[in-house]
Amino acid sequence: GENVEQHPSTLSVQEGDSAVIKCTYSDSASNYFPWYKQELGKRPQLIIDIRSNVGEKKDQRIAVTLNKTAKHFSLHITETQPEDSAVYFCAASTMNYGGATNKLIFGTGTLLAVQP
Amino acid sequence: EAQVTQNPRYLITVTGKKLTVTCSQNMNHEYMSWYRQDPGLGLRQIYYSMNVEVTDKGDVPEGYKVSRKEKRNFPLILESPSPNQTSLYFCASNEPGQGTNEQFFGPGTRLTVL
Repeated sequence: GENVEQHPSTLSVQEGDSAVIKCTYSDSASNYFPWYKQELGKRPQLIIDIRSNVGEKKDQRIAVTLNKTAKHFSLHITETQPEDSAVYFCAASTMNYGGATNKLIFGTGTLLAVQP
Repeated sequence: EAQVTQNPRYLITVTGKKLTVTCSQNMNHEYMSWYRQDPGLGLRQIYYSMNVEVTDKGDVPEGYKVSRKEKRNFPLILESPSPNQTSLYFCASNEPGQGTNEQFFGPGTRLTVL
């Protein structure tokens, strides 16, 4: 089955610096890669996602890149702010519009601390 | 307001005492899932459902049961809870056909089994 590895487990950056979190996946059939942000005591919320037919996607200060050959994808946060401090999870799944599966495998999470 | 609700939010119980955690969504989503979150292990999918009366195992289904008799509800049942099921549980719903597979999470249920 699918396995997702996420690194680093903790990351501390200065406000204004960039942060990069990396994930690798094992199942070449995976075609959907979301990233979730979980603030302390809150529920996870989707911040960005990418399909396997796209190499990069941006949304303001957040971007995700995907390398299908190497089976890895990364989250990039630029100009970090204290409110970016949270746990970030990557995930991988095989998204079938036919509804064959709803399996979603998460990485183990990265605690990002942005120091003011 | 579009939302996923879970009850109870907090529960302390003893080994072997059957319990049910309810989950309800008002977004008319076809798909629903249960996850558990443990330190260092991230979120792990327990069970998921793709329609009424259609359920399948996730990564860690042992010790859990689910049912999907109505589209909006997806209860999680622990027939005989054990201390290793102490965890933070999240229910989620999603609708893959809308171009994304965003999981909409409930607020979580913190379960302690003594």
